[in-house]
Amino acid sequence: DVKVTQSSRYLVKRTGEKVFLECVQDMDHENMFWYRQDPGLGLRLIYFSYDVKMKEKGDIPEGYSVSREKKERFSLILESASTNQTSMYLCASSSSGSANYGYTFGSGTRLTVV
Amino acid sequence: AQTVTQSQPEMSVQEAETVTLSCTYDTSESDYYLFWYKQPPSRQMILVIRQEAYKQQNATENRFSVNFQKAAKSFSLKISDSQLGDAAMYFCAYPNEYGNKLVFGAGTILRVKS
Repeated sequence: DVKVTQSSRYLVKRTGEKVFLECVQDMDHENMFWYRQDPGLGLRLIYFSYDVKMKEKGDIPEGYSVSREKKERFSLILESASTNQTSMYLCASSSSGSANYGYTFGSGTRLTVV
Repeated sequence: AQTVTQSQPEMSVQEAETVTLSCTYDTSESDYYLFWYKQPPSRQMILVIRQEAYKQQNATENRFSVNFQKAAKSFSLKISDSQLGDAAMYFCAYPNEYGNKLVFGAGTILRVKS
């Protein structure tokens, strides 16, 4: 079974902490994405990557950064966590430059910042 | 900006009955794909059905079918013979104007009553 694995299902962090959310896919996909999911707002794109060491900002990149040192791994970094970053974070991957084939998603990380 | 509108925040259906979830979108493209994703309480997003815009025939996957009205930019999901396992959040999505990432609606929570 093809998989996108997010390392943590639940995380609780303190305000000001540096937070790492990890995502690994085993499908040799070129493209990886980080979305944030909030009630009533759907999924909003934070960052995406088309290749190793390559990244592009999505719709809401402020307060976040990413790292893609290896093809299979895409990390989301909260440089200094704030309470308004409490949310569900979803990682996804796809096999080509086109989104027409859809995504494979991870199970999500629910982050609470206190 | 491209938008996807799911006008029903919540829907309920009796087991074995049929329910339709609505979705409208806004694009100037002529050839694109449309998606419905299901997110059950386990949080794993699953692709339910995909429709190619240039195809006249509505896509069908078992009990799931779509009513695609290209001129009206409408893409509704019909679930027949609803089952308890259909209870989930459903998201409508389609690729952005560059075709490289998906734009999602706000989601519809579907509750199935036994």
